[in-house]
Amino acid sequence: EDKVVQSPLSLVVHEGDTVTLNCSYEVTNFRSLLWYKQEKKAPTFLFMLTSSGIEKKSGRLSSILDKKELFSILNITATQTGDSAVYLCAVEGETSGSRLTFGEGTQLTVNP
Amino acid sequence: DTAVSQTPKYLVTQMGNDKSIKCEQNLGHDTMYWYKQDSKKFLKIMFSYNNKELIINETVPNRFSPKSPDKAHLNLHINSLELGDSAVYFCASSQYSRDPPQPQHFGDGTRLSIL
Repeated sequence: EDKVVQSPLSLVVHEGDTVTLNCSYEVTNFRSLLWYKQEKKAPTFLFMLTSSGIEKKSGRLSSILDKKELFSILNITATQTGDSAVYLCAVEGETSGSRLTFGEGTQLTVNP
Repeated sequence: DTAVSQTPKYLVTQMGNDKSIKCEQNLGHDTMYWYKQDSKKFLKIMFSYNNKELIINETVPNRFSPKSPDKAHLNLHINSLELGDSAVYFCASSQYSRDPPQPQHFGDGTRLSIL
């Protein structure tokens, strides 16, 4: 059974800090790892990492995938209050029929 | 334009009732999903349809029945609602692609509360 563990579960920082969110996984025949940001409503897609794309960057957010050690990190630099959200990590395996297995999420709070 | 839209946003009802949640996507995707997010915030897959064909059917009670009239719509009907059904139900869609894989996009969720 596929499994995703995120850490920390909760993080409180001040504006301007840099944060690193962790995601370790177990999946049969890895296909992709995804990061989502969830505020009050829909999880919003951030990044997808695959065997052919192990590093992604968008503005202050970046993510890397280590397929050997089975983990990914999401970095946010110069945090802003608008970054406050739950960050979800999910994996998809080749045999899973496109189902995503999610972690519990990291609740990030950025204080002014 | 809302890409994946669900109705209703909130649903409050009593135990034993039957209710439906509707989902529509205008992204042109061929695959749609239902996820359940419980109080612990875990998102868990329930069902998936590809071009109106059921491809994922997780271990959920038979009281839950999905229906896909076309590839842009996926509805969820729940019979004989129970207290444990209280959760947020998310619809998602994606375009199936062997390589590279494509991300799933989520609706805003339907918060179901059973009294």
